[in-house]
Amino acid sequence: GAGVSQSPSNKVTEKGKDVELRCDPISGHTALYWYRQRLGQGLEFLIYFQGNSAPDKSGLPSDRFSAERTGESVSTLTIQRTQQEDSAVYLCASSLGGPEKLFFGSGTQLSVL
Amino acid sequence: AQSVAQPEDQVNVAEGNPLTVKCTYSVSGNPYLFWYVQYPNRGLQFLLKYITGDNLVKGSYGFEAEFNKSQTSFHLKKPSALVSDSALYFCAVRDGSNTGKLIFGQGTTLQVKP
Repeated sequence: GAGVSQSPSNKVTEKGKDVELRCDPISGHTALYWYRQRLGQGLEFLIYFQGNSAPDKSGLPSDRFSAERTGESVSTLTIQRTQQEDSAVYLCASSLGGPEKLFFGSGTQLSVL
Repeated sequence: AQSVAQPEDQVNVAEGNPLTVKCTYSVSGNPYLFWYVQYPNRGLQFLLKYITGDNLVKGSYGFEAEFNKSQTSFHLKKPSALVSDSALYFCAVRDGSNTGKLIFGQGTTLQVKP
């Protein structure tokens, strides 16, 4: 597709379960970001991948959160032992890197009951 | 560490009046600065960016922003607001001296009333 694709669009899970969120960036984009947006709030940086460099994980809120990216393609964000405070929209974005603009996906709405 | 601040949670303007949405930043090197907009029930969209050069940059939908290095600010402006401009606006910054991450402000809700 032409844009950044995220799946699932909605995820409802029970507290304590693990979830995996997927992001398909635009082909050729070397940079990939994950952000979290709680209801009515700003974008919280989680993790940043740039090419083959080591990812910047400085925004991950706890060791329950992890993310992987294979080369310059798909990325998955995994949340283990989900908590109610993890409920949010998780946004993925990709870009050509450097000063180039980000293209955002539509997000995954995660609800932890 | 880089940071960005949007001091106003909400800005209210009347249609046809000029609008300003404020943003200040902090980076160790030269900044790359961006504005993004989030319309209700729609994804985030790029509006404009400053990398280098002319301090006044023009973007989509008639918006512009002015880079002020001495005040470390990058305020978003539009000469004449439209009701359809009502949305959530985010300022973002990255340190241009390295391949660092893009950090967003908390966002400012713009409400344009007829």
